[in-house]
Amino acid sequence: EAEVAQSPRYKITEKSQAVAFWCDPISGHATLYWYRQILGQGPELLVQFQDESVVDDSQLPKDRFSAERLKGVDSTLKIQPAELGDSAMYLCASSLRTAITFGSGTRLTVV
Amino acid sequence: TQLLEQSPQFLSIQEGENLTVYCNSSSVFSSLQWYRQEPGEGPVLLVTVVTGGEVKKLKRLTFQFGDARKDSSLHITAAQPGDTGLYLCAGAPGSGGSNYKLTFGKGTLLTVNP
Repeated sequence: EAEVAQSPRYKITEKSQAVAFWCDPISGHATLYWYRQILGQGPELLVQFQDESVVDDSQLPKDRFSAERLKGVDSTLKIQPAELGDSAMYLCASSLRTAITFGSGTRLTVV
Repeated sequence: TQLLEQSPQFLSIQEGENLTVYCNSSSVFSSLQWYRQEPGEGPVLLVTVVTGGEVKKLKRLTFQFGDARKDSSLHITAAQPGDTGLYLCAGAPGSGGSNYKLTFGKGTLLTVNP
């Protein structure tokens, strides 16, 4: 069964450092999402791509977060500098139409 | 912003009991999805409902979309320990493609004790 691949699974970083997450969506899925999930909450959309274009980044803290999907396939999400409040699960997902498949996420801890 | 409220937030029951969790909004959605998420994993899609009043069954799970497409419920019959997890509902205002954006509720954390 096709999966959304994310790496790393876990990341511990010191505040003010830079951190990056990688996502490889299911082959052929044009839409890619990055969500952030704080413990005890539902996922919150950070950025949505359609192919290589950003279609929604209204909830992305652009002073420290950036996301790219240069060739319309895999994607990276970067945080620089990381803050304590960024500790969360970062989930990547992809979809062809309405069936969204999530990856296993990257658990980020900022110390 | 379209908000989805889920209740209860936490639910702990014994194996064999029945339960219902709810997902409510003041907004209309074109479709609503239910996910189950286990600790340390991403959410896994259980069902999508698109028609007001629609009822879908998945083994012991029954999903209903409200007539006005503003609310939904998930009923589990004879719960088992394997049903333990965070149940999330998510609504979409659009119909697909680049306009397809999900808004998630905060979830119901279900624990089924043996």
